[in-house]
Amino acid sequence: DIVMTQTPLSSPVTLGQPASVSCRSSQSLVHSDGNTYLSWLQQRPGQPPRLLFYKISNRFSGVPDRFSGSGAGTDFTLKISRVEAEDVGVYYCMQLTQFPYTFGQGTKLEIK
Amino acid sequence: EVQLVESGGGLVQPGGSLRLSCAASGFTFSSYSMNWVRQAPGKGLEWVSFIRHDSSDIYYADSVKGRCTISRDNVNNLVYLQMDSLRDEDTAIYYCAREWFGELNWGQGTLVTVSS
Repeated sequence: DIVMTQTPLSSPVTLGQPASVSCRSSQSLVHSDGNTYLSWLQQRPGQPPRLLFYKISNRFSGVPDRFSGSGAGTDFTLKISRVEAEDVGVYYCMQLTQFPYTFGQGTKLEIK
Repeated sequence: EVQLVESGGGLVQPGGSLRLSCAASGFTFSSYSMNWVRQAPGKGLEWVSFIRHDSSDIYYADSVKGRCTISRDNVNNLVYLQMDSLRDEDTAIYYCAREWFGELNWGQGTLVTVSS
């Protein structure tokens, strides 16, 4: 199975400041079709997960442009340029390249 | 608008069975693969099962293999998860998710509680 490792697991951030989450996979996420199926999800308290990015950097509908996704191969990053109060929650990376699909442990974003 | 509505959760005793349903609307259901993902209380996300748009491929997590069966009805836009021999550790919110090349739309989830 592909293991997804996120850092940090907790991130206290000041409003208006940037935040970053890293995700590393135990093997390359490049699929035989040439795509890299790495997604980022946001889960606000008491809510279901919400897709932010798919295939590394494709922003999902309605996602503010202060969020960005980047990376390649086994190393990926989610960045928030200026954290807002509504960004509080847990962020997960997920690989859909190989079955079983796997998630990172989650990174809890909190406001200082 | 894509809508996914899960149902069928509830309280069940260890060893019991439940069938979860996910009703889809707002898109051409028969063109999309579907997944079930669960989240135990206070824990992270765990992928459970996948079914391709035409049921030609089906996959399960090792934790549920042999105890769960995924299926779909492309006429009535439904996907199911039959869960048998339920254990305490199956207690979780179960989400269905539509998949299109890594793009996932999620339902609101249904809670399954396994307890005596």
